[in-house]
Amino acid sequence: QKEVEQNSGPLSVPEGAIASLNCTYSDRGSQSFFWYRQYSGKSPELIMFIYSNGDKEDGRFTAQLNKASQYVSLLIRDSQPSDSATYLCAVKLYSSASKIIFGSGTRLSIRP
Amino acid sequence: ETGVTQSPTHLIKTRGQQVTLRCSSQSGHNTVSWYQQALGQGPQFIFQYYREEENGRGNFPPRFSGLQFPNYSSELNVNALELDDSALYLCASSLDRGVNTEAFFGQGTRLTVV
Repeated sequence: QKEVEQNSGPLSVPEGAIASLNCTYSDRGSQSFFWYRQYSGKSPELIMFIYSNGDKEDGRFTAQLNKASQYVSLLIRDSQPSDSATYLCAVKLYSSASKIIFGSGTRLSIRP
Repeated sequence: ETGVTQSPTHLIKTRGQQVTLRCSSQSGHNTVSWYQQALGQGPQFIFQYYREEENGRGNFPPRFSGLQFPNYSSELNVNALELDDSALYLCASSLDRGVNTEAFFGQGTRLTVV
């Protein structure tokens, strides 16, 4: 079982709709959670982080964390073509805080 | 822009050679981590440096080594290059080494081993 699992996609969403990206993790010692966006050929860009159960909103983005279910998600409201990218879910463990463990990413495509 | 800069941006090396990649961390950040990202995969942790000392290492062989300097910039050295070392190498800078600390990536170095 992979430590961080994401559906590879592609996930196709019409412009203006809500894109929902999901991620599960295997280690209950996971302490902090991150969403990175990566355009093709570019480096990952941090867009959200969340440490506590519940929702965290930042503009069009909402991160949701459910530690009991070992589940973290990212919602993108009013999706724009510029949101088309690969979204990487990442976690840090309290026991090994030095490293971030990444999923393989979900490719999101916003169709006009 | 994250303020994290890497050099060079692209590099082509021959199998068996050695390579040094460089990273300047964001101002005020004392922690640098290095990641390897193969095509279609998420970044894989190589190691982290905190205040000039190695502070964690992933599953990479000893031919991957690093340094951090007093100004917190860092180098990644890879000896005896193999074809599978071809990847995007990412440097991430963070304020410190804590678990609730965000990391910001540089633009990466694309290494091709032929």
